Amino acid sequence: GQQVMQIPQYQHVQEGEDFTTYCNSSTTLSNIQWYKQRPGGHPVFLIQLVKSGEVKKQKRLTFQFGEAKKNSSLHITATQTTDVGTYFCADLPNTGNQFYFGTGTSLTVIP
Amino acid sequence: DAGITQSPRYKITETGRQVTLMCHQTWSHSYMFWYRQDLGHGLRLIYYSAAADITDKGEVPDGYVVSRSKTENFPLTLESATRSQTSVYFCASRWTGDNEQFFGPGTRLTVL
Repeated sequence: GQQVMQIPQYQHVQEGEDFTTYCNSSTTLSNIQWYKQRPGGHPVFLIQLVKSGEVKKQKRLTFQFGEAKKNSSLHITATQTTDVGTYFCADLPNTGNQFYFGTGTSLTVIP
Repeated sequence: DAGITQSPRYKITETGRQVTLMCHQTWSHSYMFWYRQDLGHGLRLIYYSAAADITDKGEVPDGYVVSRSKTENFPLTLESATRSQTSVYFCASRWTGDNEQFFGPGTRLTVL
């Protein structure tokens, strides 16, 4: 099946620092979604990107879809303790109904 | 209250026993999904359903059975539980034509 790789696996940052997680695939990605899961919680949908080179912003969060649609990134500016959690990317191929999740990046924010 | 619920939230069972995890959603979403979450593996799809009486295998279906006789319910059964099925199980749903998935609170299953 499709493999979606995500790096880094863990990231510790000081509060106020920036954070970026990357989602990569050897095959073309179709519909990239990003989810956030708080410790002990469930994944919550953040955003979907579908177009090559697309950039979307949600307050301090910036989401990008690569020009070749082989990668995506989530960047958080000036992290806060409320950003703590695991961030997942997921791809939904155009030809199917099955989502393929990356392994996630666990973010710890040190006050 | 509307939404997607799972029961039980926690379950401990023994190897070889049958276990059924329940998932109920009140939105009349067409699609429903079962995932398992394990450290280092992220979320892996077990089974999904596009509508009542239509189910399909995901990445890791072995050892699991699903049914969907009603749109709102999507139970997951482990016919003979094994220790490797110790995991957190999430149910999710979405509308047809909208890719946003809504996840339930999860069931933490331990197989001894």
